[in-house]
Amino acid sequence: DVKVTQSSRYLVKRTGEKVFLECVQDMDHENMFWYRQDPGLGLRLIYFSYDVKMKEKGDIPEGYSVSREKKERFSLILESASTNQTSMYLCASSSNYGTGTQPQHFGDGTRLSIL
Amino acid sequence: DQQVKQNSPSLSVQEGRISILNCDYTNSMFDYFLWYKKYPAEGPTFLISISSIKDKNEDGRFTVFLNKSAKHLSLHIVPSQPGDSAVYFCAASDAGGYQKVTFGTGTKLQVIP
Repeated sequence: DVKVTQSSRYLVKRTGEKVFLECVQDMDHENMFWYRQDPGLGLRLIYFSYDVKMKEKGDIPEGYSVSREKKERFSLILESASTNQTSMYLCASSSNYGTGTQPQHFGDGTRLSIL
Repeated sequence: DQQVKQNSPSLSVQEGRISILNCDYTNSMFDYFLWYKKYPAEGPTFLISISSIKDKNEDGRFTVFLNKSAKHLSLHIVPSQPGDSAVYFCAASDAGGYQKVTFGTGTKLQVIP
């Protein structure tokens, strides 16, 4: 079974802090994704990566950056946290192999509060 | 702009009856569609998918219908069970998108025993 592990379930940080959210997958998936989930807005893609050291902006990349130094690990960085970045953050991974778009496997999320 | 829309934020259904969740999309380049289910405090889990070359895909109690001309898809759950109570997300992708998908806003389904 695919396991996507996010380092923290809950996190509280202060405005202006640099925040790191970590995600690890154990299925050798090529693709990894970071989303945020907000009420009424669904899941919005922040960044994704299709290979080590490769990254692509999603729909809402402003204020975020990412790092993928190893295939299994994808980090989301809030350069200078702001209160509007308070949200549920979800990491996912998927394979390139198979017919059509492959299902994404999600972690359980990190609820981040910026005070 | 919201390319994938789920216009019903919530839906209540009696146990044993059919649940129908709807999804509309605007991008004609989308060619693959997926449904995910999400319980509170858990990540979404994949439920069922359909390619644009089909108009129906069935997996047990779950059936997804695709109407390409209307840019509309629906998820039917028959019979509905209390354990189906969750938020359901529709998602869509296009062939050139690095396995990237666009999610809808979700519909919260409550199945009443």
